[in-house]
Amino acid sequence: DTEVTQTPKHLVMGMTNKKSLKCEQHMGHRAMYWYKQKAKKPPELMFVYSYEKLSINESVPSRFSPECPNSSLLNLHLHALQPEDSALYLCASSQPRVRSTIYFGEGSWLTVV
Amino acid sequence: GQQVMQIPQYQHVQEGEDFTTYCNSSTTLSNIQWYKQRPGGHPVFLIQLVKSGEVKKQKRLTFQFGEAKKNSSLHITATQTTDVGTYFCAGTSNYQLIWGAGTKLIIKP
Repeated sequence: DTEVTQTPKHLVMGMTNKKSLKCEQHMGHRAMYWYKQKAKKPPELMFVYSYEKLSINESVPSRFSPECPNSSLLNLHLHALQPEDSALYLCASSQPRVRSTIYFGEGSWLTVV
Repeated sequence: GQQVMQIPQYQHVQEGEDFTTYCNSSTTLSNIQWYKQRPGGHPVFLIQLVKSGEVKKQKRLTFQFGEAKKNSSLHITATQTTDVGTYFCAGTSNYQLIWGAGTKLIIKP
């Protein structure tokens, strides 16, 4: 069982919709991540927040907009997505240190129609 | 760029046979982590190796980190149906976590 909680578990959205993915952790971690995973591929880093500040943006298109309201919460706002954005979106957290273990949530399965 | 090569991509075994997956990095790693992802699931942390030449065991799973901290392996003895899934290594180099492509363990019926 994971201590990183993601909602919703499944989301189907049209290309003109605006939706959000939410993530919460109560492990006291100060680094939080968004990953995107396509079928049969490893997770691909999108964003990293460290101490509630965006520290890494891996050249992600602006139709994905992250937000970190506090140290426990992480959101990913979605707008005008494309069908190729359909994937499993994983939230993760860790201590903001190099050798820290990264703990993943169960993911949100996103389908863009 | 920095890469972690993981092989094989797939391994089909009979239940009870052994399974091994290998990771090789183009650069020296600070550490290496191993994750398991069941079909339809999310990556679950298994273990982290930090020291050169380190070997760790978890029941039927044996993890090794090479002396040069550039390679690692995961060996499962006597596979069971519960071992099915994709095993990923992920190494830290220059503060970046670099993922291998994963090895999918398939148990033959």
